[in-house]
Amino acid sequence: KAGVTQTPRYLIKTRGQQVTLSCSPISGHRSVSWYQQTPGQGLQFLFEYFSETQRNKGNFPGRFSGRQFSNSRSEMNVSTLELGDSALYLCASSLIAGGEAFFGQGTRLTVV
Amino acid sequence: DQQVKQNSPSLSVQEGRISILNCDYTNSMFDYFLWYKKYPAEGPTFLISISSIKDKNEDGRFTVFLNKSAKHLSLHIVPSQPGDSAVYFCAAWSGSARQLTFGSGTQLTVLP
Repeated sequence: KAGVTQTPRYLIKTRGQQVTLSCSPISGHRSVSWYQQTPGQGLQFLFEYFSETQRNKGNFPGRFSGRQFSNSRSEMNVSTLELGDSALYLCASSLIAGGEAFFGQGTRLTVV
Repeated sequence: DQQVKQNSPSLSVQEGRISILNCDYTNSMFDYFLWYKKYPAEGPTFLISISSIKDKNEDGRFTVFLNKSAKHLSLHIVPSQPGDSAVYFCAAWSGSARQLTFGSGTQLTVLP
């Protein structure tokens, strides 16, 4: 079956703009989590959605938000982009919260 | 406050020898632990996991050891192969926090 799909793969934005990233989980998976990866920082947890509800949120400012649709697809939005938001954003889906997480290839966001 | 730490950013090993990747954690409430492997331009892929009630789990060339008293886990790869060269992330799941916490990763290089 198809894996986790993230779009777009690469994105360049300027400071102050906003961006929306998309994640389609594996069919049947209801839990979607988002992570930010920057060099030397590992994967930082952003938030987790389960059945359209945000169940948990990491330590990120309110500029970072997300949502999940009834088909489990998820989007994350970053408003008023800053240079420090440049990172690889990874989405992971799992059958249940806490189950083995399957990651997408990520969206490489560059803020200039 | 890093709850999951991988203190070695890099490790080089000769092909055929053993690779040992280490991970320390501070939260005794973690329910289970996972190792992920990540190649450049790809999302992390699940490798092996271990429940907090066990001290060893083996899958082919990969073995994970958990020492709860020391709050330490390690991943052993025997024998190491050049294709194992990747960044390895240690992760810990907390059911109460509904969050997967990652370490900062260790770059493993297996030399032919």
